[in-house]
Amino acid sequence: ETGVTQTPRHLVMGMTNKKSLKCEQHLGHNAMYWYKQSAKKPLELMFVYNFKEQTENNSVPSRFSPECPNSSHLFLHLHTLQPEDSALYLCASSQVTSGGPYEQYFGPGTRLTVT
Amino acid sequence: SQQGEEDPQALSIQEGENATMNCSYKTSINNLQWYRQNSGRGLVHLILIRSNEREKHSGRLRVTLDTSKKSSSLLITASRAADTASYFCATDAGSTLGRLYFGRGTQLTVWP
Repeated sequence: ETGVTQTPRHLVMGMTNKKSLKCEQHLGHNAMYWYKQSAKKPLELMFVYNFKEQTENNSVPSRFSPECPNSSHLFLHLHTLQPEDSALYLCASSQVTSGGPYEQYFGPGTRLTVT
Repeated sequence: SQQGEEDPQALSIQEGENATMNCSYKTSINNLQWYRQNSGRGLVHLILIRSNEREKHSGRLRVTLDTSKKSSSLLITASRAADTASYFCATDAGSTLGRLYFGRGTQLTVWP
């Protein structure tokens, strides 16, 4: 888990708050991902960044705003969230090269509770 | 859905027994991966099997892949209490962009 770090590990926020989740990878990878994990549901891919460019946005509400300033850092900015957004948010990275395969390395996650 | 689906949803065994988890998927793949997640933590990559491979071993783990049936199995031999975790299969659905599709996972509990 030390290859990908996430802060904070736990976050409780009100529906009107603005907060940010941070992810940093120390593996020299060129792709980073945000996932949402809710109870009893498959892991939901939210955003994909390859070489700092967003390549995928899976119909995520605009109250989630990603930012990837460089290939090592990824942020998820949160504002006016809903209680159903409470979940474990996982960051992952991988080295995407021609032909693959692509193992993903995950951070420990941020447990988010929206009150 | 392109996601893998694990079966069973939950499995409870005694230490020393073998644990077998299955995964089915719907699309063509380049490779299939298995991940493990301890409660409330990040996922850890366990093993990857390519579409042209039928079986792979890593320590106490054995993975099989049957692309004609679009299914895979993960066998953990001589299980230990420390193996208690959720296990997920993930496929690339033929993508070369690094995207993975995960299932809901199998919750394995190993009793001492």
